[in-house]
Amino acid sequence: RKEVEQDPGPFNVPEGATVAFNCTYSNSASQSFFWYRQDCRKEPKLLMSVYSSGNEDGRFTAQLNRASQYISLLIRDSKLSDSATYLCVVKTVRGSTLGRLYFGRGTQLTVWP
Amino acid sequence: SQTIHQWPATLVQPVGSPLSLECTVEGTSNPNLYWYRQAAGRGLQLLFYSVGIGQISSEVPQNLSASRPQDRQFILSSKKLLLSDSGFYLCAWRGTTNNEQFFGPGTRLTVL
Repeated sequence: RKEVEQDPGPFNVPEGATVAFNCTYSNSASQSFFWYRQDCRKEPKLLMSVYSSGNEDGRFTAQLNRASQYISLLIRDSKLSDSATYLCVVKTVRGSTLGRLYFGRGTQLTVWP
Repeated sequence: SQTIHQWPATLVQPVGSPLSLECTVEGTSNPNLYWYRQAAGRGLQLLFYSVGIGQISSEVPQNLSASRPQDRQFILSSKKLLLSDSGFYLCAWRGTTNNEQFFGPGTRLTVL
């Protein structure tokens, strides 16, 4: 079973729409959670960390459900510039290995005018 | 502020040729550094990480090696490239706020 699983999409939405991405992780001992954004042929960039109580940054809201091992990202009022691939990322400590990040394959979003 | 550089940006190499990719970090000392590969249509795969000079941990046995000759320098190498080594190679350093990682611009490698 993969450490992190995401719906690959693609999601195609009009400007102004609300879109939600989901992600599940397999290790209940996972400690930290993030959403990254990756534009085509570019490096991933940190969008936001995900906290247990949920957190919001402008039009973006992230939620964490530890009991269900589920993370979500909600984007409100979508803009053309939101078109990208969104990566769900989980930090887990295994044995003697330092905490390492596990990346989902990403969910592709296209916002059309 | 911290910045991370990678070069070259793109590279086309024949099968069997050697490889050397370089990553340098500025604005931080003794960072944890990472090499990842992203193959076409796939997720990021951790290749190596380093917690200090001369300290390298390999995550996946393969055709590649890494070295950390200086505190802020991380090098990815191969003696003989394979077709399967093609991909997007990303270097990252670990932040201290929440253990997030920040990526360099990457090197896109095509092995022919």
